[in-house]
Amino acid sequence: KAGVTQTPRYLIKTRGQQVTLSCSPISGHRSVSWYQQTPGQGLQFLFEYFSETQRNKGNFPGRFSGRQFSNSRSEMNVSTLELGDSALYLCASSLPADEQFFGPGTRLTVL
Amino acid sequence: GENVEQHPSTLSVQEGDSAVIKCTYSDSASNYFPWYKQELGKRPQLIIDIRSNVGEKKDQRIAVTLNKTAKHFSLHITETQPEDSAVYFCAASGGFGNEKLTFGTGTRLTIIP
Repeated sequence: KAGVTQTPRYLIKTRGQQVTLSCSPISGHRSVSWYQQTPGQGLQFLFEYFSETQRNKGNFPGRFSGRQFSNSRSEMNVSTLELGDSALYLCASSLPADEQFFGPGTRLTVL
Repeated sequence: GENVEQHPSTLSVQEGDSAVIKCTYSDSASNYFPWYKQELGKRPQLIIDIRSNVGEKKDQRIAVTLNKTAKHFSLHITETQPEDSAVYFCAASGGFGNEKLTFGTGTRLTIIP
C-alpha cells in the first residue's frame, strides 16, 4: 500500500506571496491532519479533516487554511507569507482513532 | 487545551544501556498516547502507542508505561543500539472525533558506541 505523499517537497517563496501544499493520504484513510514543524516551536497542529469537514483547528492565524476533497486528498494554503512561516509542513493520515502515518513533508522557505 | 511536557530534551547513553524519556499531559480526556521517532531529514514514524485502558505495553526492546492518575507516560528503550539515535516525540490525543495530536518538545537521544 502506498504511503502518504506530499507535493511539492521543497518550496521557496518570498514574503507576501501565497502557497498551496498538497497531501494524498493512504488509500482508505479519510482523516488527514496537518502539522507545522520548526526548530523553535516543535510540532504544532494546524488542522484536521475528516470526510471533507474540518473537525479541529489549531492556534494559527486565518492566513492558514485548508480543505479536503471527496477522494480524501487535502490541500493547505498559506496566504501573505511571513518569514516565520518557514517550516516543514507535515500531513498525516489515519483510520478513525488509529495510528497517524506521516508524509515526507514539504519544506517551505520564505525569503 | 492539552499541554504535553517532555523531559529530558537531550539524552546520551552508552550502547547497551537503557534510555527513559518522560512526558506529562494536562487534559484528563486524552486517551491515546503515541511515541514517534524522527531521524534527521525524515518523517516521524510511530514506534509504539498506548491507550488509556492499558497501563503498559511492550514491543521487543521498547516499552511504554502510562499512569492516568498522575497524567504521565514514559518510553523505555532497553539494550540501546546506535540506530536508536534520533529525536523522540511523545504525543497525546482525545481519540475518535478529536484526533489532534499535541506533541511534546522532543528528546534528542544519542547512543554512544
